[in-house]
Amino acid sequence: QVQVQESGPGLVKPSETLSLTCTVSGDSISRSTNYWGWIRQPPGKGLEWIGSIYYSGSTYYNPSLKSRVTISLDTSKNQFSLKLSSVTAADTAVYYCARLYALAAPRFDYWGQGTLVTVSS
Amino acid sequence: DIQLTQSPSFLSASVGDRVTITCRASQGISSYLAWYQQKPGKAPKLLIYAASTLQSGVPSRFSGSGSGTEFSLTISSLQPEDFATYYCQQFNSYPYTFGQGTKLEIK
Repeated sequence: QVQVQESGPGLVKPSETLSLTCTVSGDSISRSTNYWGWIRQPPGKGLEWIGSIYYSGSTYYNPSLKSRVTISLDTSKNQFSLKLSSVTAADTAVYYCARLYALAAPRFDYWGQGTLVTVSS
Repeated sequence: DIQLTQSPSFLSASVGDRVTITCRASQGISSYLAWYQQKPGKAPKLLIYAASTLQSGVPSRFSGSGSGTEFSLTISSLQPEDFATYYCQQFNSYPYTFGQGTKLEIK
């Protein structure tokens, strides 16, 4: 059974960098059928795709966040991570990591429980 | 960016009802569309992918249809556990985008 789990600080100060890690179990982040992604949801609002990374390390970012986002892999730990720089209150959201299964047709099929990150001084 | 517009945004229905939610894309996305169910405080759950393929373990009362720019999610007979918010998402091109959501409430 595939499991993904977010971890990281729940409070980040304005202008600083938000850093989250997603730990994967039950699958390898190096498998060629998989991309891995980050999605966020501001309180009471809808879902926003932040970006995805392929096992090769190729990354794809939402243009609305591209200048501030970095997603990377750590194959030795079977983890991937998100860094979002220069955060403001508008970046306050529940952040989800998920597996993007790409065989036949892409879909986010396994999601973490989500972690609330609040941007506040 | 491809815009996804769901209708209705809010839907009130009763247990046993048949309901349909529509997702319209601003340009053609072939069949690269997924549907998710989200309950309060929980992560989204995949229901349908490739517009009409039922995810393993999802009850057969859920079905999806459409291609190009018009898609729909149908629940054939609402159960109490189906009251939630539903989102569509396109995977045709980056950035992957979601619809604004449809909140399904008990009448």
